[in-house]
Amino acid sequence: GNSVTQMEGPVTLSEEAFLTINCTYTATGYPSLFWYVQYPGEGLQLLLKATKADDKGSNKGFEATYRKETTSFHLEKGSVQVSDSAVYFCALPGGGYNKLIFGAGTRLAVHP
Amino acid sequence: GAVVSQHPSWVICKSGTSVKIECRSLDFQATTMFWYRQFPKQSLMLMATSNEGSKATYEQGVEKDKFLINHASLTLSTLTVTSAHPEDSSFYICSARGQGRNTEAFFGQGTRLTVV
Repeated sequence: GNSVTQMEGPVTLSEEAFLTINCTYTATGYPSLFWYVQYPGEGLQLLLKATKADDKGSNKGFEATYRKETTSFHLEKGSVQVSDSAVYFCALPGGGYNKLIFGAGTRLAVHP
Repeated sequence: GAVVSQHPSWVICKSGTSVKIECRSLDFQATTMFWYRQFPKQSLMLMATSNEGSKATYEQGVEKDKFLINHASLTLSTLTVTSAHPEDSSFYICSARGQGRNTEAFFGQGTRLTVV
């Protein structure tokens, strides 16, 4: 079945540093891919998504490109801010009943 | 974007009592709703999946008699933690999706349950 593997955290960066959070997947076909973000004490919010190969999802300065050759959907941001401190989850559809399969989550801490 | 409202955002209850958590999709019809549990600094653990009008499907290891799920309409699902104990203290999150394999999931704000 479909699965997703995410780099382990925590990731600690200084403000304005470049961010990469790796995500690789295994899937049947070419499902949509998602990045969700969870701020402290809150539920998850969709950050960005890509619906087909070579698509680039982007939002709030974050980007991720759907690469079928490497089965990857790495999350990047050129200059992180303290307010980006959160947990980031990579996800894709899988299993029955329209389930989403989530990666383990990567905690990002950005300090001034 | 679509909104999913979860209520309450936090609750403290005495051991042995039951607690109900509501999850509402405010501007779309949620064909499927999911209930997750999240332990501190860990990922989401899917507890159960419910489709409107049918019984919930529970993940392995989740007690269906303890975590009662009702999905009576396309906009409302409830999770009732029955006879709560301190080990049930956790962060519970609901999620809703419309029809279609590649539709995104929308999440509630989460409910922090503390059983004392």
